[in-house]
Amino acid sequence: EVQLVQSGGDLVQPGGSLRLSCVVSGINFGSYWMTWVRQAPGKGLEWVATINQDGTEHYSVDSVKGRFTISRENADNSVFLQMNSLRTEDTAVYYCARGRDYGDYWGQGTLVTVSS
Amino acid sequence: DIQMTQSPSTLSASVGDRVTITCRASQTISDWLAWYRQKPGEAPKLLIYRASTLERGVPSRFSGSGSGTEFTLTISGLQPDDFATYYCQQYNSYSWGFGQGTKVEIK
Repeated sequence: EVQLVQSGGDLVQPGGSLRLSCVVSGINFGSYWMTWVRQAPGKGLEWVATINQDGTEHYSVDSVKGRFTISRENADNSVFLQMNSLRTEDTAVYYCARGRDYGDYWGQGTLVTVSS
Repeated sequence: DIQMTQSPSTLSASVGDRVTITCRASQTISDWLAWYRQKPGEAPKLLIYRASTLERGVPSRFSGSGSGTEFTLTISGLQPDDFATYYCQQYNSYSWGFGQGTKVEIK
């Protein structure tokens, strides 16, 4: 069974940092692209970032460029989202998902709240 | 950036109804389109990818069609489990773009 288990969400002040984790089991993790998607409270889905199988390629939405970094550690079957210089508008549930073109498996989501 | 426009935003229907949701892209995306269903408090669930390919394990009452800029998701025989929000998602140049969502409500 494929499972994506997320952690790391928290309440953080504007300008702060947070690191989200997503541990994947049940697949050959190193064979797949991985993606982060977020959803602000009561809003729709927004793509955040994507990383290739060996971590040498990564892409992100303009609104997080220079602040968020996607990375992975294949030895630990994990993908990460390092979030710096957080803003109130980054408040959302963040999901990790397997895939480059679409997400066929998703984590349970983790809530990031940016507020003073 | 490619914009995705879904319609309608809200749809009222009854169990057993056939419903259709439309998604339009601001420029051609070939068949790089997926559909998801999301229930409150849950992660999205993939239904259709490459515009018309049914994801493994998804009931056959779901079907997708279209290419280029216009796409549809059809649910033939709405079930209680289907009252949820549906999103289309395009893939282009290593980025994703989602439609704004269609909420399917009980009439």
